[in-house]
Amino acid sequence: GESVGLHLPTLSVQEGDNSIINCAYSNSASDYFIWYKQESGKGPQFIIDIRSNMDKRQGQRVTVLLNKTVKHLSLQIAATQPGDSAVYFCAEISRGTGRRALTFGSGTRLQVQP
Amino acid sequence: ETGVTQSPTHLIKTRGQQVTLRCSSQSGHNTVSWYQQALGQGPQFIFQYYREEENGRGNFPPRFSGLQFPNYSSELNVNALELDDSALYLCASSPGAETSTDTQYFGPGTRLTVL
Repeated sequence: GESVGLHLPTLSVQEGDNSIINCAYSNSASDYFIWYKQESGKGPQFIIDIRSNMDKRQGQRVTVLLNKTVKHLSLQIAATQPGDSAVYFCAEISRGTGRRALTFGSGTRLQVQP
Repeated sequence: ETGVTQSPTHLIKTRGQQVTLRCSSQSGHNTVSWYQQALGQGPQFIFQYYREEENGRGNFPPRFSGLQFPNYSSELNVNALELDDSALYLCASSPGAETSTDTQYFGPGTRLTVL
């Protein structure tokens, strides 16, 4: 399959540890944020989303935190598993653009060591 | 699985040729967006279709064009292919503006190689 993210920042964690992937955004008009997971040779897979009127949202083993003051988004993965190894992208949509198109960050590669 | 399908999976073309990529959206979704993902980068927005009308376009030249059909499936057409058009082309469907749901669900992509 394809190799996505040849020159991406890499986070290496031990199996069972918690992972934190960070994302900074610059557009103060951003009102919706999504985290995607992309495995080699596949399309991005939806993980979790959050709207700008929230600070935190939890899913199964994942939590997204939004700090609008410093324009920072993070994805926390609890008890990281080998199957979590992938490239993770944050994406945002800005209000006022009319279209609802995603703007993606550059991605972070997560490597889970057994 | 998202229910979004794309064809073909892989495609090899030469410079100057034309290509058509196809996407079937998830059942119940009337909005389709197309993205280009170069190797090692995040997806870049090409354009979006809502109820068969173009609903926004990214920074791509006019030789990138699209269609959405009454069943909400979609095509991406690229004319006069250039080497830099080599990329993974992703289609994403979403329920539509009237639902106030912005989540976009991606298909597996079409890998286009231009020689």
